Amino acid sequence: NAGVTQTPKFQVLKTGQSMTLQCAQDMNHNSMYWYRQDPGMGLRLIYYSASEGTTDKGEVPNGYNVSRLNKREFSLRLESAAPSQTSVYFCASSRDGPQETQYFGPGTRLLVL
Amino acid sequence: EDKVVQSPLSLVVHEGDTVTLNCSYEVTNFRSLLWYKQEKKAPTFLFMLTSSGIEKKSGRLSSILDKKELFSILNITATQTGDSAVYLCAVGAAGNKLTFGGGTRVLVKP
Repeated sequence: NAGVTQTPKFQVLKTGQSMTLQCAQDMNHNSMYWYRQDPGMGLRLIYYSASEGTTDKGEVPNGYNVSRLNKREFSLRLESAAPSQTSVYFCASSRDGPQETQYFGPGTRLLVL
Repeated sequence: EDKVVQSPLSLVVHEGDTVTLNCSYEVTNFRSLLWYKQEKKAPTFLFMLTSSGIEKKSGRLSSILDKKELFSILNITATQTGDSAVYLCAVGAAGNKLTFGGGTRVLVKP
């Protein structure tokens, strides 16, 4: 039982490059989330998916797109990376809804030069 | 706009001390308050509180919610170096909203 897994663990991009962050959970959870964490700012929600086939914008969605590929997988895409997107990205899942206990992946550290 | 404020921002204590962390909030249609511990990597769940005045305990950690005064406290007694972490508070509201505070960084010195 791996919980929530994320790939890659670390990535360096040049401004304008694109990339996709992958996330998968094996807990049969309905809801999945993508957060970014910047120093002193806590966790901010980028997008979430309440259930398979649905996605909604969070607090800071600009510059990102997501895909809920199936119940297990939720990917985050940066189409044209910018230095402001340098951050640590966490994927999380919960059984139903964000007010329930969320289980977090190990994070992806992204540096955009 | 929903707001969650944690205090203090950081603190340094010695092993054996007691620590009290605060989380105050202003949200519309409150549903729950959650505490997470974040060491080097991912946050891990500590407590979820939905009712006022009912203390939740787990070992040396405990937490209580006051829905009238809109705050929660997290207590850690007999602190150990393994308690060093960032403690995050998050408040859930209707409409699938969840807002995190900025966290309190705790350093426990031997």
